[in-house]
Amino acid sequence: QQKVQQSPESLIVPEGGMASLNCTFSDRNSQYFWWYRQHSGEGPKALMSIFSNGDKKEGRFTAHLNKASLHVSLHIKDSQPSDSALYFCAVSGNSNNRIFFGDGTQLVVKP
Amino acid sequence: AQTIHQWPVAEIKAVGSPLSLGCTIKGKSSPNLYWYWQATGGTLQQLFYSITVGQVESVVQLNLSASRPKDDQFILSTEKLLLSHSGFYLCAWSLHINQDTQYFGPGTRLLVL
Repeated sequence: QQKVQQSPESLIVPEGGMASLNCTFSDRNSQYFWWYRQHSGEGPKALMSIFSNGDKKEGRFTAHLNKASLHVSLHIKDSQPSDSALYFCAVSGNSNNRIFFGDGTQLVVKP
Repeated sequence: AQTIHQWPVAEIKAVGSPLSLGCTIKGKSSPNLYWYWQATGGTLQQLFYSITVGQVESVVQLNLSASRPKDDQFILSTEKLLLSHSGFYLCAWSLHINQDTQYFGPGTRLLVL
């Protein structure tokens, strides 16, 4: 069964700082990867997807995928208080053809 | 634009009582639909998915059932609630089953006492 693990569990960064979130997965057949963000009391929203090895940049957000290392990361540049939320890594296209979410990283951006 | 609506917004129910939660998608025909459960601050656990009307696949057994009576409607229900059913229930849709960006609804918060 696919295991998706995120680190750290929680992260505090100053406003304007860089936040780095990590995710490891266990199934080498995995093909599709997403980062979702969930503000308190709301449903999660997809931030970005990444399907190929390397970096993908969208505004202040950069995702990095290394399938050989079973690792995907998200970097948030110039963090804002509105970035404070629960971030999930999601993985699919694996042997089970299911989508698996990590346990999440709680990000707090301090003004 | 597609919109996803969940009802009710929140429920407080007694252990052993029945439950029915609903989800409606507007602006997208033949969507793939999902139900997720989330403990407070916890991960998202996929419960069910549906590719088409009348067809529902169970992912985990939690004494819950799901049905898709119409193309744009997904229902989650149980005859008898357990304390462990408390949490946040989220409906989502995607273009391709389990291999595409998921678009989540606002969720229903359930407290079982």
